[in-house]
Amino acid sequence: EAGVVQSPRYKIIEKKQPVAFWCNPISGHNTLYWYLQNLGQGPELLIRYENEEAVDDSQLPKDRFSAERLKGVDSTLKIQPAELGDSAVYLCASSLYGLESTDTQYFGPGTRLTVL
Amino acid sequence: RKEVEQDPGPFNVPEGATVAFNCTYSNSASQSFFWYRQDCRKEPKLLMSVYSSGNEDGRFTAQLNRASQYISLLIRDSKLSDSATYLCVVNRESNFNKFYFGSGTKLNVKP
Repeated sequence: EAGVVQSPRYKIIEKKQPVAFWCNPISGHNTLYWYLQNLGQGPELLIRYENEEAVDDSQLPKDRFSAERLKGVDSTLKIQPAELGDSAVYLCASSLYGLESTDTQYFGPGTRLTVL
Repeated sequence: RKEVEQDPGPFNVPEGATVAFNCTYSNSASQSFFWYRQDCRKEPKLLMSVYSSGNEDGRFTAQLNRASQYISLLIRDSKLSDSATYLCVVNRESNFNKFYFGSGTKLNVKP
């Protein structure tokens, strides 16, 4: 079974440019998460989807970040415009239900963003 | 105060040693607890869930102490391949079933 797929794996852009990340969760997983991970830190939740509904976007900087999961399957996270401080690894994760606290999250390999 | 706190380490131990990490969490409403392993420049992967009664998986033992609000991970007979960062994860159903990650504890197992 394929795991969580993310693309691109690496992205280097100049500040003020837009950038987009794509994630395809494990087939059948209803819940999708986008996390940001800085070096030496744990992942921090940006947004969580239950199917196509964003149920927790409280940590998403909405002035420059946006996300969508139109058909409840794959998802795109966008930053426009990017700032130097956005350099980080962007991780996508999925889980089967998301409504149960014991649900296991499976992570994709991440997109490593460098903003110059 | 952070939701989840961990000693960043690194813990440098010889092969075959026993090593233990602790993780404290701030919210008593936390309900589920996990240890994830993250290799350098890789994604986190679930190592084990932590149950109230404690649980063991081979050389790994996890314990939960709700009264003191901490969880622990014990690794026996350390292998070189155990070298990684271990992330403590806590979940609260009351907050949209949100997962909180610690910053991780780095383990280096030396030959």
